[in-house]
Amino acid sequence: DIVLTQSPLSLSVTPGQPASISCKSSRSLLESDGKTYLYWYLQRPGQSPQLLIYEAINRFSGVSDRFSGSGSGTDLTLKISRVEAEDVGVYYCMQSIEVPWTFGQGTKVEIK
Amino acid sequence: EVRLVESGGGLVQPGGSLRLSCTTSGFTFTNYWMTWIRQAPGKGLEWVTNIKQDESEKFYLDSVKGRFTVSRDNAKSSLYLQMNNLRAEDTAVYYCAVPGINYWGQGTLVTVSS
Repeated sequence: DIVLTQSPLSLSVTPGQPASISCKSSRSLLESDGKTYLYWYLQRPGQSPQLLIYEAINRFSGVSDRFSGSGSGTDLTLKISRVEAEDVGVYYCMQSIEVPWTFGQGTKVEIK
Repeated sequence: EVRLVESGGGLVQPGGSLRLSCTTSGFTFTNYWMTWIRQAPGKGLEWVTNIKQDESEKFYLDSVKGRFTVSRDNAKSSLYLQMNNLRAEDTAVYYCAVPGINYWGQGTLVTVSS
């Protein structure tokens, strides 16, 4: 199974400051079609997950441009350019290049 | 408006069975693979199973193989998860989803306990 390792596991950020979350995969998530099958989700307290980034670098419809995804292969990153109060929650990366689909452990983001 | 509504969760004893349902609307159900994802209390997300549009392909998490069966009724735009021989470690909120396009239900809680 593909193992996704997120870091850090928790983050306390001052509003307006940037934040970055790493997701390292045990094997490449780059498929022969040129796409990297890595997704980023935010799960706010008491809510279902919501998609932020798909195929590693594409911002989902309606997601703030403060969020960006980068990387390919085995090293992927989610960046928040300026953290806001509404960004609190747990962030997960997920791979869908092969079954079983797997998730990272989650990164809890809180506001200072 | 896209809606996915799970039902069928509840308290069940170890070894028991439950059947989860996910009723969908607002999108063309037959266009998509469907997925069940679960989340144990206070824990992270865990993929459980995928089912292809015509049910010709199904994939399962190793720990549920032989115990869980996914199915769908395209005429009713509904997804199902038959869970047999339940274990304490199956306790979780179960979400039906098309995660790649951000379609998620609100989840249904399954508690396996004596």
